[in-house]
Amino acid sequence: ELKVEQNPLFLSMQEGKNYTIYCNYSTTSDRLYWYRQDPGKSLESLFVLLSNGAVKQEGRLMASLDTKARLSTLHITAAVHDLSATYFCAVVTNNNDMRFGAGTRLTVKP
Amino acid sequence: GAVVSQHPSRVICKSGTSVKIECRSLDFQATTMFWYRQFPKQSLMLMATSNEGSKATYEQGVEKDKFLINHASLTLSTLTVTSAHPEDSSFYICSAQPDRVYGYTFGSGTRLTVV
Repeated sequence: ELKVEQNPLFLSMQEGKNYTIYCNYSTTSDRLYWYRQDPGKSLESLFVLLSNGAVKQEGRLMASLDTKARLSTLHITAAVHDLSATYFCAVVTNNNDMRFGAGTRLTVKP
Repeated sequence: GAVVSQHPSRVICKSGTSVKIECRSLDFQATTMFWYRQFPKQSLMLMATSNEGSKATYEQGVEKDKFLINHASLTLSTLTVTSAHPEDSSFYICSAQPDRVYGYTFGSGTRLTVV
């Protein structure tokens, strides 16, 4: 069974600092997704990573995928308060359903 | 872009009653929809996969007689929580895949509170 491990689970950052969230998964998959969730809300799609070495950037967030290591990273550059949210990585299984990591609750403090 | 409309957004029901949650794909046909449950401060857990015109596939530990799924058309899937109890209180989210590569559009979620 596919397992998705995400760390850290909690992250408190100062504004302006950089940090990386890691996502490991246990079996081969060709699709990895990153989502943001604000309290009480559904998921907002951030990135879709489809191939080894894929790197995507949007604003202060950058995601990468290493399929050989079964590892994806979400890098935060110069964090701002608006980035405070819970971030999930998710991997698609052979059955075409999506399995989520535990989530990283990010708090950015002034 | 592809939209999945989910209703209701919030529902409070009495213990022992049933609640139906609807998910509609607005501008695409969804032969498959996924139903997730999310308890507070936890991740999304897949409950079941609904397939248009056939029986849903339930994840291990999910009671199929309690969580009835119907996917009678290519644009509508419903989840009915039967004989709801307080422990069923949760955030339920559906998703569908408009296309294979970029899919997985999520509904806005339903906050169920059983009192």
